[in-house]
Amino acid sequence: DAGVIQSPRHEVTEMGQEVTLRCKPISGHNSLFWYRQTMMRGLELLIYFNNNVPIDDSGMPEDRFSAKMPNASFSTLKIQPSEPRDSAVYFCASSLSWAYNEQFFGPGTRLTVL
Amino acid sequence: SQQGEEDPQALSIQEGENATMNCSYKTSINNLQWYRQNSGRGLVHLILIRSNEREKHSGRLRVTLDTSKKSSSLLITASRAADTASYFCATDRTGNQFYFGTGTSLTVIP
Repeated sequence: DAGVIQSPRHEVTEMGQEVTLRCKPISGHNSLFWYRQTMMRGLELLIYFNNNVPIDDSGMPEDRFSAKMPNASFSTLKIQPSEPRDSAVYFCASSLSWAYNEQFFGPGTRLTVL
Repeated sequence: SQQGEEDPQALSIQEGENATMNCSYKTSINNLQWYRQNSGRGLVHLILIRSNEREKHSGRLRVTLDTSKKSSSLLITASRAADTASYFCATDRTGNQFYFGTGTSLTVIP
């Protein structure tokens, strides 16, 4: 199994541009999580899905952030418009089922907004 | 909001020594997990301990949980240079939504 796949691995964009981050969870996993990691705030849960349905998006910082999971093998996190304070590493993780399971993390996308 | 808070923030030891890091949390939990993050990589799950367990072992790792004190510790015995990484505890209240702490940065000097 290739593990959780994220793309791109690095993204540099200018303020105001739209950014789309992509994630392919491990096949057979029913839950998917988006996290953001910064030095100042650590690792923050943004949103998570169970069976492709968003369960809790209370961690999404602003309306500029949106996430979708159109099917069990693909999810996107979109930032529109992007701002310099969005610069961070964004991780996607998946787990086998709803409760009490370890999460498998992707390698992350390092986003820099100039 | 974050629940787990690791202590110390940074730890430096000689290879072969034991490393102990602690995690404190604020509310009751179902489970607590420990993860490792190597520089530039995603987090890797190390061990899960349930709220009704007090101690768990996995290889050179030993985790304890004290629910009365709302704290957990991770002990790495006979450390190796490859153990150099950041270590995070993650606590959950709902069973699938984990809150990560700020991490302990461990450096093992060869």
